Amino acid sequence: SQQGEEDPQALSIQEGENATMNCSYKTSINNLQWYRQNSGRGLVHLILIRSNEREKHSGRLRVTLDTSKKSSSLLITASRAADTASYFCATDGYGGSQGNLIFGKGTKLSVKP
Amino acid sequence: GAGVSQSPRYKVAKRGQDVALRCDPISGHVSLFWYQQALGQGPEFLTYFQNEAQLDKSGLPSDRFFAERPEGSVSTLKIQRTQQEDSAVYLCASSLVPPGLAGINEQFFGPGTRLTVL
Repeated sequence: SQQGEEDPQALSIQEGENATMNCSYKTSINNLQWYRQNSGRGLVHLILIRSNEREKHSGRLRVTLDTSKKSSSLLITASRAADTASYFCATDGYGGSQGNLIFGKGTKLSVKP
Repeated sequence: GAGVSQSPRYKVAKRGQDVALRCDPISGHVSLFWYQQALGQGPEFLTYFQNEAQLDKSGLPSDRFFAERPEGSVSTLKIQRTQQEDSAVYLCASSLVPPGLAGINEQFFGPGTRLTVL
């Protein structure tokens, strides 16, 4: 079963705008990761945030994590048409897990030129 | 070197046929994972190998699904007597270290095999 939900399910913006995607999860975690998936392709790792971190930046990406609310957000600033893809958050179980990632259902982002 | 590769990229099978999907992980990666991704959904865990040992197969949906990694590198996911509900993209991922080590679990994904069962 899926760990949680991304919100929104779909997002359409103009190039240059910022895109914010949210993710909620259910269980305690060691870390949370965000992946991107272009249509018909595999997943590409974007960023990992540990459970003891609250915010992390990588280029145009900013990730926040609120473990008290079991939620995370991914912000893509100054979006580009090439950012069009599906974005998934993934968590790994805390204790007892063999390390498999548990994915949400994803947000489909469309950036219009 | 190269990333994770999977073959075939596309597979069409008639219901009842057996299929075999191959994964070549990144050289030297200890951990290997298989995921199933239905259309419009996120990937769901199927099974996990640490070297040649299959440590977790709790995600395999039925006993028609079987995976192996006999020499601790290449892995094969076999589906016997395929059903229409098996239609999905099957993703393979590998990671350098066993999960939980140093708290890192970055997995590198292959392009997937899209299986269509008619």
